[in-house]
Amino acid sequence: ILNVEQSPQSLHVQEGDSTNFTCSFPSSNFYALHWYRWETAKSPEALFVMTLNGDEKKKGRISATLNTKEGYSYLYIKGSQPEDSATYLCALYSGGYQKVTFGTGTKLQVIP
Amino acid sequence: EAGVTQFPSHSVIEKGQTVTLRCDPISGHDNLYWYRRVMGKEIKFLLHFVKESKQDESGMPNNRFLAERTGGTYSTLKVQPAELEDSGVYFCASSLSGTGAYNEQFFGPGTRLTVL
Repeated sequence: ILNVEQSPQSLHVQEGDSTNFTCSFPSSNFYALHWYRWETAKSPEALFVMTLNGDEKKKGRISATLNTKEGYSYLYIKGSQPEDSATYLCALYSGGYQKVTFGTGTKLQVIP
Repeated sequence: EAGVTQFPSHSVIEKGQTVTLRCDPISGHDNLYWYRRVMGKEIKFLLHFVKESKQDESGMPNNRFLAERTGGTYSTLKVQPAELEDSGVYFCASSLSGTGAYNEQFFGPGTRLTVL
């Protein structure tokens, strides 16, 4: 059983603050790491697909980096807005069949 | 373009009954995944189809669960007989052809299953 850990579990920030959270994973047999944004009562929405060590991806105010050698990925949100409030999930693809393992998520609350 | 759809949105059944969940992926998506989220826990992988073939079903909890994808289009997930611990939200996701890990997955809205 693979351990994909996300920290912190939850986070409250003020509107306008920048924030970041971590996804840690075993680095062996790595294929890809996906980041998702999951709003309550909706389905997870893909943010980034990261495949190469050193990858940096950006979408608006959200960006992510990947370090496959040490087994972590960071998600950054610059100038948080209330609409950024959601749970952010990472999912690791690894092994022969690219088995996918989700983290437990980081729940972000942006306070206006 | 229509997204991934799932039916029903909610299902409440009694222990021992049978339930069939359906997923219609985005047209042209060869990869189809089933996931389950039990309350308070992380999303767990159940299985992965590439077209009509099961690529990986290692996440299926036991032989009470049967997934099919006839003709490589929609997929069904049948639970027979249902047990209390099967309660949760069942998500389906699809992605384009090619290596599933490298393609963005599009999730459906999920089916909330409650077994009483």
